[in-house]
Amino acid sequence: KQEVTQIPAALSVPEGENLVLNCSFTDSAIYNLQWFRQDPGKGLTSLLLIQSSQREQTSGRLNASLDKSSGRSTLYIAASQPGDSATYLCAVPYYGGSQGNLIFGKGTKLSVKP
Amino acid sequence: GAGVSQSPSNKVTEKGKDVELRCDPISGHTALYWYRQSLGQGLEFLIYFQGNSAPDKSGLPSDRFSAERTGGSVSTLTIQRTQQEDSAVYLCASTHGGRWAPDTQYFGPGTRLTVL
Repeated sequence: KQEVTQIPAALSVPEGENLVLNCSFTDSAIYNLQWFRQDPGKGLTSLLLIQSSQREQTSGRLNASLDKSSGRSTLYIAASQPGDSATYLCAVPYYGGSQGNLIFGKGTKLSVKP
Repeated sequence: GAGVSQSPSNKVTEKGKDVELRCDPISGHTALYWYRQSLGQGLEFLIYFQGNSAPDKSGLPSDRFSAERTGGSVSTLTIQRTQQEDSAVYLCASTHGGRWAPDTQYFGPGTRLTVL
């Protein structure tokens, strides 16, 4: 059974710092991995999707890496800003049944202090 | 273009009442998912629709929950005889892909359900 874990559960940093959020998964047979952002009281915004054949994806100040063999992904945020404050979730598709639904970690709540 | 929309954004109901939650997926997306996000529980899968195929209901927590998707587009999640433990944010997502070609899932803003 696929399980997704995110560490740390919460992180507080001063503005301008570079930071890394971690995601691990127990079954390395994944098709892709997706990173989301969730603002309080809002839905999920897709940030990056990494296919299993890729090592990393970049979008602006965000860089996500994937190491399938070790069951890990990291989300690197450069030069953090207060507007980056949100909960970050990683997720992988589940193929145990017929769904392809996402299995989510519980998220890392990021607070960037001005 | 328009994203995934959900209505209502908030719903407060009394225990024992039935509620209906609506999801409008992105036009052309064949796959539609319902998830539930409970406080401290994280996101859990509820039900999956792919095109006109029979839905996969394996994530529904009880037979009080049901969903339908009309015309391969709009979906309605119905919760009968609501209980306080049903209080959560219900999120809908749609995507081009499905089981064999998963693609980015796009989420709606969610419906916050509170059962008093």
